[in-house]
Amino acid sequence: AQTVTQSQPEMSVQEAETVTLSCTYDTSESDYYLFWYKQPPSRQMILVIRQEAYKQQNATENRFSVNFQKAAKSFSLKISDSQLGDAAMYFCAYRSAQSNFGNEKLTFGTGTRLTIIP
Amino acid sequence: KAGVTQTPRYLIKTRGQQVTLSCSPISGHRSVSWYQQTPGQGLQFLFEYFSETQRNKGNFPGRFSGRQFSNSRSEMNVSTLELGDSALYLCASSLITGFGEQFFGPGTRLTVL
Repeated sequence: AQTVTQSQPEMSVQEAETVTLSCTYDTSESDYYLFWYKQPPSRQMILVIRQEAYKQQNATENRFSVNFQKAAKSFSLKISDSQLGDAAMYFCAYRSAQSNFGNEKLTFGTGTRLTIIP
Repeated sequence: KAGVTQTPRYLIKTRGQQVTLSCSPISGHRSVSWYQQTPGQGLQFLFEYFSETQRNKGNFPGRFSGRQFSNSRSEMNVSTLELGDSALYLCASSLITGFGEQFFGPGTRLTVL
């Protein structure tokens, strides 16, 4: 079974600064997807960024980028130029890529609560 | 395009009752997954449906069940409610193909008294 670990329950960062959230995972599979989801106080889960395991290039979405280290099974999220609207719970998630049918299950980490200090 | 909708948004029940939650996926999405979110256990996978068939099931007791209709709408049912069933229940839909990115609904907050 796959597991996802987020070792930072809470993080805080000054507005406009950069912050990195950590995530490690354990799997015996070679092909999979990794995601970072954001859950603001409204509770709506929003996809921030995604990474395919077979791609060596780190994914980037505007101010959000990841550092994907497949051998180390590490998948950290970097938020640059932090904004007040970035305040939320951030969840790292794993999904197997073995089959596109009946394998949509996401395994989540416990989350990191990010606070933005004005 | 409308997002994933879940009804009701809030629900209060008493122990022993049963409850049905509904999820309407994004138009064209045929896969629907359900998750339970609690402060103690975090986000846990309940089950996944595709083409009206349950394709995957999490580690939950048989009191938790679900189904999917031909229009891809899904319902989940919890019978004989327990206090520990109080949670945010999230539904997510996806296209299956490619990345299969999951889009989440706003959730149903269930409180069991």
